[in-house]
Amino acid sequence: GAVVSQHPSRVICKSGTSVKIECRSLDFQATTMFWYRQFPKQSLMLMATSNEGSKATYEQGVEKDKFLINHASLTLSTLTVTSAHPEDSSFYICSASSGWGAYEQYFGPGTRLTVT
Amino acid sequence: QKEVEQNSGPLSVPEGAIASLNCTYSDRGSQSFFWYRQYSGKSPELIMFIYSNGDKEDGRFTAQLNKASQYVSLLIRDSQPSDSATYLCAGGGTGFQKLVFGTGTRLLVSP
Repeated sequence: GAVVSQHPSRVICKSGTSVKIECRSLDFQATTMFWYRQFPKQSLMLMATSNEGSKATYEQGVEKDKFLINHASLTLSTLTVTSAHPEDSSFYICSASSGWGAYEQYFGPGTRLTVT
Repeated sequence: QKEVEQNSGPLSVPEGAIASLNCTYSDRGSQSFFWYRQYSGKSPELIMFIYSNGDKEDGRFTAQLNKASQYVSLLIRDSQPSDSATYLCAGGGTGFQKLVFGTGTRLLVSP
């Protein structure tokens, strides 16, 4: 149980274009989903927290207009990187939690984004 | 600011030995603690969580929590080369609160 998928696993895009990453909880309802970014040899950096049906809460320093998050259902959240630039190249990982009383987060396999 | 501290390592142990990974946290309000394993280039994988003081065992893994000392540890018995990874400690509050992750300890198990 507690399987989270992400799609795509790897994407290369040109500077200035937008990229959408999907995160799905396959066998449980994810009341809350989290989006992280991880640069090589660095720790996880939380970007935002999203609850189903609500606006995402962004961490300080994360541009909400650049990283659009939608959590339209209890099994799907999307992250759209708009007008991507080479410095946005990173490993993006989502995680999902089933909510109140169950605090553990289950991570998706991650999406490696390369912006050329 | 809530913080979770870990020694970055690497912690080197021979195969078959016990690996001891440690973590301290600053927020006394933290209720739950988690250990994740992350292989290079992969996403974190949940190994164990612990909510109560004391020990919790699962196979070769034992998590220990001491809330008075604000200390969490993970013991890996009979360490295997496949255990070589970065281990992330995380602390959480109640409800929908986000987890606070440490920077991770790199474990190297030599054959």
